[in-house]
Amino acid sequence: EIVMTQSPATLSVSPGERATLSCRATQSVSSNLAWYQQKPGQAPRLLIYGASTRATGIPARFSGSGSGTEFTLTISSLQSEDFAVYYCQQYNDWPRTFGQGTRVEIK
Amino acid sequence: EVQLVESGGVLVQPGGSLRLSCAASGFTFSSYRMNWVRQAPGKGLEWVSSISGGSSTTYYADSVKGRFTISRDNAKGSVFLQMNSLRAEDTAVYYCTRMAYSSDWYPDYWGQGTLVTVSS
Repeated sequence: EIVMTQSPATLSVSPGERATLSCRATQSVSSNLAWYQQKPGQAPRLLIYGASTRATGIPARFSGSGSGTEFTLTISSLQSEDFAVYYCQQYNDWPRTFGQGTRVEIK
Repeated sequence: EVQLVESGGVLVQPGGSLRLSCAASGFTFSSYRMNWVRQAPGKGLEWVSSISGGSSTTYYADSVKGRFTISRDNAKGSVFLQMNSLRAEDTAVYYCTRMAYSSDWYPDYWGQGTLVTVSS
């Protein structure tokens, strides 16, 4: 099983600042990596797939990069609606596995 | 508009059984692999099971293998999760997801979830 590790667990950021979230896999997942945003009481929402492709309707301030075992989600200028928990998921192999999440909170 | 609506979540005793349903609309259901993902209270996301469009291929997490069965009815646009021998650790919100394809299958649309509570 591929283990996904996200860091940091919690990120404190001021509105308007840049946020950088990391996701690491225990073996290569190529570019088969997705990022999801989840707000309290809501279902997760797809942000990025293919490591760097924004899903439909996702603002350009969200960007993804990386391949193999190291991935990054960057939010260029945090808006109030971006404070949430973010998960990465590899879809290169079964079982599909998620990272434990990074909480982005207001500083 | 893609819509996924889960149902069937209730309070059930340990060792009991439950069948979750997910009604899909807004897309050609039989063309898409479907998925269940769960989230225990206050915890992260855990993939549970997946089924191909024609039901020929299914996958399960080790934590549910042999106890849960995924199935679908393409004529009705629905996917199901039969859950047997339930344990306290199966307590979670269960999400139904559609899976899109880009090099491989990944969840794109998610339902709002249904809560399963396993407790005596």
